[in-house]
Amino acid sequence: DAMVIQNPRYQVTQFGKPVTLSCSQTLNHNVMYWYQQKSSQAPKLLFHYYDKDFNNEADTPDNFQSRRPNTSFCFLDIRSPGLGDAAMYLCATGRGGNTGEPFFGEGSRLTVL
Amino acid sequence: GNSVTQMEGPVTLSEEAFLTINCTYTATGYPSLFWYVQYPGEGLQLLLKATKADDKGSNKGFEATYRKETTSFHLEKGSVQVSDSAVYFCALSGGAGGYNKLIFGAGTRLAVHP
Repeated sequence: DAMVIQNPRYQVTQFGKPVTLSCSQTLNHNVMYWYQQKSSQAPKLLFHYYDKDFNNEADTPDNFQSRRPNTSFCFLDIRSPGLGDAAMYLCATGRGGNTGEPFFGEGSRLTVL
Repeated sequence: GNSVTQMEGPVTLSEEAFLTINCTYTATGYPSLFWYVQYPGEGLQLLLKATKADDKGSNKGFEATYRKETTSFHLEKGSVQVSDSAVYFCALSGGAGGYNKLIFGAGTRLAVHP
């Protein structure tokens, strides 16, 4: 059974049209992460939540926002997508300890026209 | 800061060949080390992990040993299959002040031919 579920798997949007990607988890993990992975590159951390505590990476553009209304759900909002934001967006969850590994969802692939 | 360096790909092998993908890291503290695999169009799957020096992670015939003295975590498999074709990412987490935040290497694409 899937433990980290991302929706939609594929999203097509127009330049400048806001988009929201969702992530849900059944693991009851404290931490939820959003990574951006552009074609043929390593995933890059955008931000993460430790419970309700939001932590932005220093180089994450303001165009990217996140919400975590409860333990199970986390959303990635892209306010005005540009062509350079086309990527796979990966959600992951973790317990918050130093030794546990994050669990990844299948990813949401965003295309910007 | 913490970083991970992987050998560049693509790595192209014939079925049943021996595989090594090199990975070295720079980190403060005592990070955990991971190998993730990504098949085309899919998310990341944990392949194996090691949480302290001299630990050996293994799964599906793959293995890697956490070598603190050489700051390495090389991935090996004795006999690859066509189904192993994928991109492999080395990653670390933890270390000083961190928790679960993964820092990835650039990834190494493996292509196995019959």
